[in-house]
Amino acid sequence: NAGVTQTPKFRILKIGQSMTLQCTQDMNHNYMYWYRQDPGMGLKLIYYSVGAGITDKGEVPNGYNVSRSTTEDFPLRLELAAPSQTSLYFCASSTQGGNTIYFGEGSWLTVV
Amino acid sequence: GQQVMQIPQYQHVQEGEDFTTYCNSSTTLSNIQWYKQRPGGHPVFLIQLVKSGEVKKQKRLTFQFGEAKKNSSLHITATQTTDVGTYFCAGTLGYGQNFVFGPGTRLSVLP
Repeated sequence: NAGVTQTPKFRILKIGQSMTLQCTQDMNHNYMYWYRQDPGMGLKLIYYSVGAGITDKGEVPNGYNVSRSTTEDFPLRLELAAPSQTSLYFCASSTQGGNTIYFGEGSWLTVV
Repeated sequence: GQQVMQIPQYQHVQEGEDFTTYCNSSTTLSNIQWYKQRPGGHPVFLIQLVKSGEVKKQKRLTFQFGEAKKNSSLHITATQTTDVGTYFCAGTLGYGQNFVFGPGTRLSVLP
């Protein structure tokens, strides 16, 4: 059982470039999330989805976009990368809100 | 909006000493969860507390939910080097609501 899988694990971007962080889960969870974690800090919710076709903003959505075309996949898109987006990104899922959250292994993104 | 705070931010202990981290919410919570993140790793679920005044134990770890459901604590007895990591609390206001994570307490254990 793979759980939550994120790719890539590491990426360096130049300012203004765009990229997509991929996330897939095989637990048939309805809820999926994207968090960012800055060094020494907690987890900030970027976007979340309660099911295929439904997405909503979290605490820090600016500069990001998401889509949820299937239950399994929840990609995160950065359109114009900025240094402030340098962070560790976690994709996560749960059966529903308020239940145990299962995290992927994280994706380190550096914008230079 | 809802805020979840944790103290201390950092804690260094000698192996064998006890450790406690405290979590405080600005609003009454429906339930609270605790996660552990090892250095270089991802957060892993430890436990969920739902009832007012609830106390749960996992071996050397004791979790408590306050009577007012606005605070919680995690206590580790006789720390070991395997306890090293950052401990996060996460609170939710209700069923279906997203969790808000605290900033975490980073624990270092000196052998």
